Amino acid sequence: SQQGEEDPQALSIQEGENATMNCSYKTSINNLQWYRQNSGRGLVHLILIRSNEREKHSGRLRVTLDTSKKSSSLLITASRAADTASYFCATATLGGNKLVFGAGTILRVKS
Amino acid sequence: DADVTQTPRNRITKTGKRIMLECSQTKGHDRMYWYRQDPGLGLRLIYYSFDVKDINKGEISDGYSVSRQAQAKFSLSLESAIPNQTALYFCATSDHGTGRETQYFGPGTRLLVL
Repeated sequence: SQQGEEDPQALSIQEGENATMNCSYKTSINNLQWYRQNSGRGLVHLILIRSNEREKHSGRLRVTLDTSKKSSSLLITASRAADTASYFCATATLGGNKLVFGAGTILRVKS
Repeated sequence: DADVTQTPRNRITKTGKRIMLECSQTKGHDRMYWYRQDPGLGLRLIYYSFDVKDINKGEISDGYSVSRQAQAKFSLSLESAIPNQTALYFCATSDHGTGRETQYFGPGTRLLVL
């Protein structure tokens, strides 16, 4: 079974707009990570947020984590056509050493 | 050169055949993982290994086996392939310890079982 569930399943926006993707999970976590996958390729790590953190930034990415609601969001600001990809959240559970991935959000940025 | 490589990149096989997918890494990481990806289901963990002498089953290990031949090599075998094993397979590696939890993925192997 999957720990993380992303919402929405698919998102289509215009270049320059912001894109927000959400992830919900079921059990307590050590950290939550976001990955990006270009069509049919391997996943690339974007950002990691720990359970004691509430917000992290990396370039145009902003991640928030609400452990009381067991949810996280990924915001991509000023989107570009090159941001078109699938985005996955993955959770590392307490004491666990492996990741559980959600089903992903497909983002399409139109130029 | 890529840090995590997978061979073959594409494979077509027939039901009942035994096949092996190979993964090599030059990152010097102890930990290696095999995942499969099906449309709409994200990645699911098949097996993982935290060092050469350590092998663990993941979420969906039935029908698969693995071998950790060296720190840098981790192979996945399908003993008797079946059509529902058609999927995209990824190998990944990671270091260990706080601050080193990121996983690094290979380019994937697209497998079709007829």
